[in-house]
Amino acid sequence: GESVGLHLPTLSVQEGDNSIINCAYSNSASDYFIWYKQESGKGPQFIIDIRSNMDKRQGQRVTVLLNKTVKHLSLQIAATQPGDSAVYFCAERQGGGNQFYFGTGTSLTVIP
Amino acid sequence: EADIYQTPRYLVIGTGKKITLECSQTMGHDKMYWYQQDPGMELHLIHYSYGVNSTEKGDLSSESTVSRIRTEHFPLTLESARPSHTSQYLCASSVMDGTDTQYFGPGTRLTVL
Repeated sequence: GESVGLHLPTLSVQEGDNSIINCAYSNSASDYFIWYKQESGKGPQFIIDIRSNMDKRQGQRVTVLLNKTVKHLSLQIAATQPGDSAVYFCAERQGGGNQFYFGTGTSLTVIP
Repeated sequence: EADIYQTPRYLVIGTGKKITLECSQTMGHDKMYWYQQDPGMELHLIHYSYGVNSTEKGDLSSESTVSRIRTEHFPLTLESARPSHTSQYLCASSVMDGTDTQYFGPGTRLTVL
């Protein structure tokens, strides 16, 4: 199977600070990546995606960075809010494949 | 907001019972998926479907079965539940637009006693 791992299982940040969640992947053939947010008792919710031909993509308060050289993906959340507290997963898809492989997840806690 | 639904949300059942977890989506997505997720762990794909009458097994071996008779409906069945089946089951769907971005339902938390 594929290895999609997160560097830190937990992250605590102060409200208003920026958060950075990291993800390492092992398959250089992966062509598409998604970040999901999963709140307690709910299913994963799509946040932002990025294709392998891009290095950076921005959404509302979120930015995803992709470094293919070191096979690293990061999610940056600006001005973190209490509602951002959740588990964040990265998912990768092999080039042209049908399946996504999910990491273990990083639990983000925002301290008011 | 994705329109994908799962029922029941929570189920506690005894060993040996047959159960069916329901999943339906109103987005007309062709592809549907079932994942198993233990607390604090990653998602593991157990079944997926490309469309009506298509079902495939995922990476994680599972004793469950699925069917896809209608586009919007993708139920998962356990013929004889065991304590090892205790987990959260997540259903997802995606449109075949080149990205296959998956939208998830709220999940069913199953406990087998």
